[in-house]
Amino acid sequence: DAKTTQPPSMDCAEGRAANLPCNHSTISGNEYVYWYRQIHSQGPQYIIHGLKNNETNEMASLIITEDRKSSTLILPHATLRDTAVYYCIVEEKLTFGTGTRLTIIP
Amino acid sequence: EAGVAQSPRYKIIEKRQSVAFWCNPISGHATLYWYQQILGQGPKLLIQFQNNGVVDDSQLPKDRFSAERLKGVDSTLKIQPAKLEDSAVYLCASSLFGTSEGWETQYFGPGTRLLVL
Repeated sequence: DAKTTQPPSMDCAEGRAANLPCNHSTISGNEYVYWYRQIHSQGPQYIIHGLKNNETNEMASLIITEDRKSSTLILPHATLRDTAVYYCIVEEKLTFGTGTRLTIIP
Repeated sequence: EAGVAQSPRYKIIEKRQSVAFWCNPISGHATLYWYQQILGQGPKLLIQFQNNGVVDDSQLPKDRFSAERLKGVDSTLKIQPAKLEDSAVYLCASSLFGTSEGWETQYFGPGTRLLVL
């Protein structure tokens, strides 16, 4: 079973920041938080990962709370191409839950 | 660089028939994974290879599913005989080293969509 909890769906207006939450209250000290996304009819795509510190790359930012029990993926300026299912995973062997279906609204 | 290649992209078979899927990972990647993704669910790991050895096949239904990676490069996943509940997308992924080297990115192929009638 997945060790994370995510809302099943979210909407975000195009051009705004999309903030996707994830709860992982049972995360252990050496487990990373990973985010992948899956655009319709494609395989999952890696976005970002982190352990304790906040991380940023060209795709997104990852904010991890100090107690590491939750995190937020931020897409700073969402575009229509960001419409996808977003998976938050906290195991080294990827165990995908059902993710959050993010829809970007024009 | 070229991504993970999979074929066929689509396959329709009748129950009790056999089917095989092929995967060619990114060049130089030691680790190869097969996932099953049923409609509306996230991918589920079926088997993981490191080079040509099996690392984890705990979730592979071994009575009907088999997989091989004979030369440590390409891999084939077979279902024999297929059941209706095998209808799913079968995803192949690869990574450079594998979990023994710590965290690393998995790169996924486009998947093979199987429909069992």
